[in-house]
Amino acid sequence: GAVVSQHPSWVICKSGTSVKIECRSLDFQATTMFWYRQFPKQSLMLMATSNEGSKATYEQGVEKDKFLINHASLTLSTLTVTSAHPEDSSFYICSVSEAGGMTTYNEQFFGPGTRLTVL
Amino acid sequence: GQNIDQPTEMTATEGAIVQINCTYQTSGFNGLFWYQQHAGEAPTFLSYNVLDGLEEKGRFSSFLSRSKGYSYLLLKELQMKDSASYLCAVREPYNTDKLIFGTGTRLQVFP
Repeated sequence: GAVVSQHPSWVICKSGTSVKIECRSLDFQATTMFWYRQFPKQSLMLMATSNEGSKATYEQGVEKDKFLINHASLTLSTLTVTSAHPEDSSFYICSVSEAGGMTTYNEQFFGPGTRLTVL
Repeated sequence: GQNIDQPTEMTATEGAIVQINCTYQTSGFNGLFWYQQHAGEAPTFLSYNVLDGLEEKGRFSSFLSRSKGYSYLLLKELQMKDSASYLCAVREPYNTDKLIFGTGTRLQVFP
């Protein structure tokens, strides 16, 4: 399967600051990337769909001005949490969907996640 | 709306068989995935069903009934390393590839 990396793996920041999380597809071109948020002992909640070269599509209830997504190339998408607050503390996970559907089921491949703690 | 339900927690004994159920009510359907997630790690793909019936893959099998909006994941010959969360996810149609995840089931395997 595809290899997806995220950076950083964990970050601690002060309330009011902005944090950028990178998601990289290492071995194939990803026209579509997804960003999820996962609170402790809960399932993955889709935040937005990131499309290369166009604006991201946000799920209902997710503030697009707070969670800025940039998908500038087929291998990199970034999520910036602006003016972070303690309630934004969570596990952020990205996934990629392969261009051209070369995978068997068009399954998504997930990054290792980024643990964000806002003090 | 979208609704995908799973039991919150399950326990089982090493060597046993466990069945994790998933019921869904979604506006569209283009396949159902099962993922395994160990604490603090990324989900990993286990199985995929788009047609009714059973898909077998080693110790893991997954079943789908589209008319009933129901799937289950069957784990045989349980091992301690199978202790993890199991996530059911429905893929939306219309080529979005978007996944809607269920509530997740935390499985604890005891010796």
